[in-house]
Amino acid sequence: QQQVKQSPQSLIVQKGGISIINCAYENTAFDYFPWYQQFPGKGPALLIAIRPDVSEKKEGRFTISFNKSAKQFSLHIMDSQPGDSATYFCAARSTGNQFYFGTGTSLTVIP
Amino acid sequence: DAGITQSPRHKVTETGTPVTLRCHQTENHRYMYWYRQDPGHGLRLIHYSYGVKDTDKGEVSDGYSVSRSKTEDFLLTLESATSSQTSVYFCAIGQGSLRRSGNTIYFGEGSWLTVV
Repeated sequence: QQQVKQSPQSLIVQKGGISIINCAYENTAFDYFPWYQQFPGKGPALLIAIRPDVSEKKEGRFTISFNKSAKQFSLHIMDSQPGDSATYFCAARSTGNQFYFGTGTSLTVIP
Repeated sequence: DAGITQSPRHKVTETGTPVTLRCHQTENHRYMYWYRQDPGHGLRLIHYSYGVKDTDKGEVSDGYSVSRSKTEDFLLTLESATSSQTSVYFCAIGQGSLRRSGNTIYFGEGSWLTVV
């Protein structure tokens, strides 16, 4: 059973557009929600993260929106660039410092 | 990079043989993890460790064992490799506390395993 559900599986966006990736969870014990970016042949790297007591966090062109009551969170990439083309994973931290990941979104930004 | 070295990076092995993947860290982090990455499944936790000799099972632990005899090393063993264990294996490390920058886990570069 997938602890964190992620959508869409793939996304194609024009350069300069907004990329939006959504995640949902059920376990209310999750207390930390990071997003990871992965390029082909590399390990995932932390992009941005949020705690559940905050509704939004912005770092440059990347924003996490968090809706605690709906148990949903999303990643917004503003002014998307070809260099943003990668696979993105949402994740959630549970007790025992276990991290559960979504199934990933393959983002392609077309020049 | 977070000071994580995985070895081997690539391996082809035969069905039924044992395989050991090694993760070495230089960060002195308490937590270490083994994940596997497969298309359509994302990253799934196999086993993790919260200290020397302290390990626990993750979501997909069947067919795998781990050992951690030193803080810096975490070994993943496939006792008898099967084709379903063909995957990319990632080691990750974490401190385990929510500090000012927030807690996260850092991944190694991955080990590509093919079981034929």
